[in-house]
Amino acid sequence: SQQGEEDPQALSIQEGENATMNCSYKTSINNLQWYRQNSGRGLVHLILIRSNEREKHSGRLRVTLDTSKKSSSLLITASRAADTASYFCLEETSGSRLTFGEGTQLTVNP
Amino acid sequence: DVKVTQSSRYLVKRTGEKVFLECVQDMDHENMFWYRQDPGLGLRLIYFSYDVKMKEKGDIPEGYSVSREKKERFSLILESASTNQTSMYLCASRSRQTIYEQYFGPGTRLTVT
Repeated sequence: SQQGEEDPQALSIQEGENATMNCSYKTSINNLQWYRQNSGRGLVHLILIRSNEREKHSGRLRVTLDTSKKSSSLLITASRAADTASYFCLEETSGSRLTFGEGTQLTVNP
Repeated sequence: DVKVTQSSRYLVKRTGEKVFLECVQDMDHENMFWYRQDPGLGLRLIYFSYDVKMKEKGDIPEGYSVSREKKERFSLILESASTNQTSMYLCASRSRQTIYEQYFGPGTRLTVT
């Protein structure tokens, strides 16, 4: 099966800047989720957006979904050093098929 | 707090050995999953289980089998370990009620020599 694609593969920014990560997928989805992975806390669910939604917010996180382009973006505003982690998108189809993207490594420099 | 535990953080096995990876969750979740994570490939789904005694193949089931005899426990079995099964193995669970959000264990780093 084909993996979702994320870009960039790596992103390095300064504290206080915004970070944007993109995810493209290939099939029709039921929902798309974003997860964060760091060495301290493992993989943690961040936010979910359903196929009939276009934008969602949670704290400093903003996720958008464009089903016509089969793409999603995760924006982290006012980044902190603690946001340093790998970020993965997970696409879930209506048939419950699950596919993770390859991930974006975000480094936030203090 | 949901807790998903995996039997070992690090494991070293020899080629040809039968390997058991155990995953236990304490929140009565119906769905459980096994993934492997490799650099540059992200997480790939090996097997999942919707409920007790149920199992479905994921994207890369070859060389693996699973067992779900009890709701809280989902085991991944490598029938005859090979070096290309050296990887990080992650278990996850989720509730049919809250749906979608998966809770992950800390992972088992398996090295097959």
